[in-house]
Amino acid sequence: QKEVEQNSGPLSVPEGAIASLNCTYSDRGSQSFFWYRQYSGKSPELIMSIYSNGDKEDGRFTAQLNKASQYVSLLIRDSQPSDSATYLCAVTGSGGGADGLTFGKGTHLIIQP
Amino acid sequence: KAGVTQTPRYLIKTRGQQVTLSCSPISGHRSVSWYQQTPGQGLQFLFEYFSETQRNKGNFPGRFSGRQFSNSRSEMNVSTLELGDSALYLCASSLLSDYEQYFGPGTRLTVT
Repeated sequence: QKEVEQNSGPLSVPEGAIASLNCTYSDRGSQSFFWYRQYSGKSPELIMSIYSNGDKEDGRFTAQLNKASQYVSLLIRDSQPSDSATYLCAVTGSGGGADGLTFGKGTHLIIQP
Repeated sequence: KAGVTQTPRYLIKTRGQQVTLSCSPISGHRSVSWYQQTPGQGLQFLFEYFSETQRNKGNFPGRFSGRQFSNSRSEMNVSTLELGDSALYLCASSLLSDYEQYFGPGTRLTVT
């Protein structure tokens, strides 16, 4: 049974600060890792993908992957109120995308103005 | 480029009925996956289609089925609806199976 664990929050961060979201996964064979943002009543929106160990930066977002520790994180710099949402960590299994994405339950992030 | 589209957006059905949901992927995307989202279970993988072939299926009963057409459009069907099938059904498309998946707006199914 593949599992993806996230702290459900809520995680409250002041505007302009760095928000740090964490995720651990159980399937050591997982190949691809994604972060999605989901606003209430909307569908998930892909914000970052990462496939190899290390950091990947895209604007205010940085994804970090450590396969040895089975750990993925997302940093949001200069947090804005519009970043308030639920952030979902998703991983593929050893079979790749054909196994479908396994999602964590999500972390509810609140950016306080 | 147009995004993933799903129809209908909202649906109300009665227990025992069946329902068919439709998904049109992003142009050029060949992989379509379906997910169920509920408050209690979160997002759960239903099945994935690539070039009209179902390549994997999640842990759902046989009442849940799907298919993919030659133009990559996909449908999923739920037969003998149960109250617990009430959920947001999401379709996601990707260029190839291992690439990023992009979600449609979802179909909100309510079973009464």
